[in-house]
Amino acid sequence: GNSVTQMEGPVTLSEEAFLTINCTYTATGYPSLFWYVQYPGEGLQLLLKATKADDKGSNKGFEATYRKETTSFHLEKGSVQVSDSAVYFCALSVTGGGADGLTFGKGTHLIIQP
Amino acid sequence: GAGVSQSPSNKVTEKGKDVELRCDPISGHTALYWYRQSLGQGLEFLIYFQGNSAPDKSGLPSDRFSAERTGGSVSTLTIQRTQQEDSAVYLCASSFQGIGEQFFGPGTRLTVL
Repeated sequence: GNSVTQMEGPVTLSEEAFLTINCTYTATGYPSLFWYVQYPGEGLQLLLKATKADDKGSNKGFEATYRKETTSFHLEKGSVQVSDSAVYFCALSVTGGGADGLTFGKGTHLIIQP
Repeated sequence: GAGVSQSPSNKVTEKGKDVELRCDPISGHTALYWYRQSLGQGLEFLIYFQGNSAPDKSGLPSDRFSAERTGGSVSTLTIQRTQQEDSAVYLCASSFQGIGEQFFGPGTRLTVL
């Protein structure tokens, strides 16, 4: 079946540090890949996505590149801010978000200290 | 327009009681999804509707869970004879025709005592 593995948290960094959150996946076919973010007290929001190999998704200074050869979609940001503190979920969909829904990783809690 | 809304935001119930959770998708979104977020299991996909039809119900955790959607809009998730392991946040999402981004509601936090 499909699965997503992401690094366990919490991850604690200082403001302006470089961020990497690892995500690897197992899937049949060619999935679309997503990063969702859940800020404290808010609902899940799509952060970025990539639909085919070598695509790079980017938003709000975050980037992730779809690497088919390593089945990975690592999230990176060059300089984090306190406001980036949230839980980050890597997810995939084999049908582009249709009938199979989204398969999520367990989430990584990111804490940015001033 | 308005985003996905869910009600109630919080529900506390006693073991063995039935509960109904409601989801109002974004207007015009034909696809609707239910997920469960719990500490032990993370985010699990439960069921998907395209219009009023749910082609695959195998993601529902047990036969105590059922979901329906009428008029291609509002959906209800019903849990019968609730158990403590049903305690979780139940999330609803919608998307335009089942493609592209899924937009999530704020969730219903269910606590079974």
